[in-house]
Amino acid sequence: QSALTQPASVSGSPGQSITISCTGTSYDVGGYKYVSWYQQHPGKVPRLIIYGVSDRPSGVSNRFSGSKSGNTAFLTISGLQAADEADYYCSSYRNRDTHLVFGGGTKVTVL
Amino acid sequence: EVQLVQSGAEVKQPGESLKISCQGLGYDFATYWIGWVRQRPGKGLEWMGIIYPADRDTRYDPSFQGRVTISADRSISTAYLQWSRLEASDIAMYYCARYRDIVPTTMDYWGQGALVTVSS
Repeated sequence: QSALTQPASVSGSPGQSITISCTGTSYDVGGYKYVSWYQQHPGKVPRLIIYGVSDRPSGVSNRFSGSKSGNTAFLTISGLQAADEADYYCSSYRNRDTHLVFGGGTKVTVL
Repeated sequence: EVQLVQSGAEVKQPGESLKISCQGLGYDFATYWIGWVRQRPGKGLEWMGIIYPADRDTRYDPSFQGRVTISADRSISTAYLQWSRLEASDIAMYYCARYRDIVPTTMDYWGQGALVTVSS
């Protein structure tokens, strides 16, 4: 069982917006501004798309945005495109037992 | 250009030892945290541990502590992940990743992955 909880799957039609949640505790997501999101296409290497809860690395589309409320972080993909079909993982710094934890991953399907 | 170049796929028997590598190119290897992530077939990402090459400060997830060793040789800009005795449960893709900040919370560059197969 992963330390952070994500929905197993989320789907949407092209052009729509979808939001993926990532729920942790006050020891990780809720306590720090150290949430990151990674995109992984099948058979490919994970790619950083959001860090520091809501910052985007250069080269990442502004259709990806991050936010946080309490112990839950969110990744929103707006203007959904076929190329967004992938697995998405959240991660957070954690100050108990370990240093960093991942969510279980969310498969995004574009209908 | 920052690159992490990992060693190739490995096929080992249960009980054998293994050391895989990750060479960091295009940046000051010693002053960035670097670590390892496991991904079992069809499963999610698992954080294993990290090392700061400049002083070899190393941190492990409890699930991997004692099972693997993370090390680094700053003279050749290379990090390592090693096992003394492989088990079937170690079958996975292993990624190395660089951390962008001095507080190591975000992995900005990833290696291409190394597939480890354990089979008798």
